[in-house]
Amino acid sequence: GAGVSQSPSNKVTEKGKDVELRCDPISGHTALYWYRQSLGQGLEFLIYFQGNSAPDKSGLPSDRFSAERTGGSVSTLTIQRTQQEDSAVYLCASSQRLHEKLFFGSGTQLSVL
Amino acid sequence: KQEVTQIPAALSVPEGENLVLNCSFTDSAIYNLQWFRQDPGKGLTSLLLIQSSQREQTSGRLNASLDKSSGRSTLYIAASQPGDSATYLCAVRQAGGYQKVTFGIGTKLQVIP
Repeated sequence: GAGVSQSPSNKVTEKGKDVELRCDPISGHTALYWYRQSLGQGLEFLIYFQGNSAPDKSGLPSDRFSAERTGGSVSTLTIQRTQQEDSAVYLCASSQRLHEKLFFGSGTQLSVL
Repeated sequence: KQEVTQIPAALSVPEGENLVLNCSFTDSAIYNLQWFRQDPGKGLTSLLLIQSSQREQTSGRLNASLDKSSGRSTLYIAASQPGDSATYLCAVRQAGGYQKVTFGIGTKLQVIP
């Protein structure tokens, strides 16, 4: 595609529900990253994919968070049993290769009530 | 652990003024450094990417410099315009390993007409 696409753009959910956030990277980009940005905070690294494998999951805050990537393309970030502190903007980025320029999607604003 | 600091946290200038945003990092073993802008409610837009072997990069009214040995980068904006109002973030990619990318919290710039 022309850019990194994320869906939904906004998600409101109730505490305890599961949510899935989707990222569709630029076609041909092998590296994919998930970040979280809380209000007034910097970007917090969550997980990185190279192809379909995730060499670095060190940023996932708890075992309620998981992510997968299929076909070296679309990635899904799943948050189980959401908590209010999960409320944030979840940003996805991709790059053609590991060390090249990052391109970001517009993010998913998650609100947990 | 890499730490990225951006000073100032916020800046307000009159239209037409030249300005400098600062980024410092603690670990000089970097692969590259990238400057982004983020508009409210939006994702990040890449401005400039400087490889570790480079000293500066220019794009239009923007010039970014890198002094890897001292752990500093600056973003120079010439003849600022109200449309430049945004938050500017720098991101440092580590050399080696998974080449983790660490972001600063950003500088919020307001250009007053």
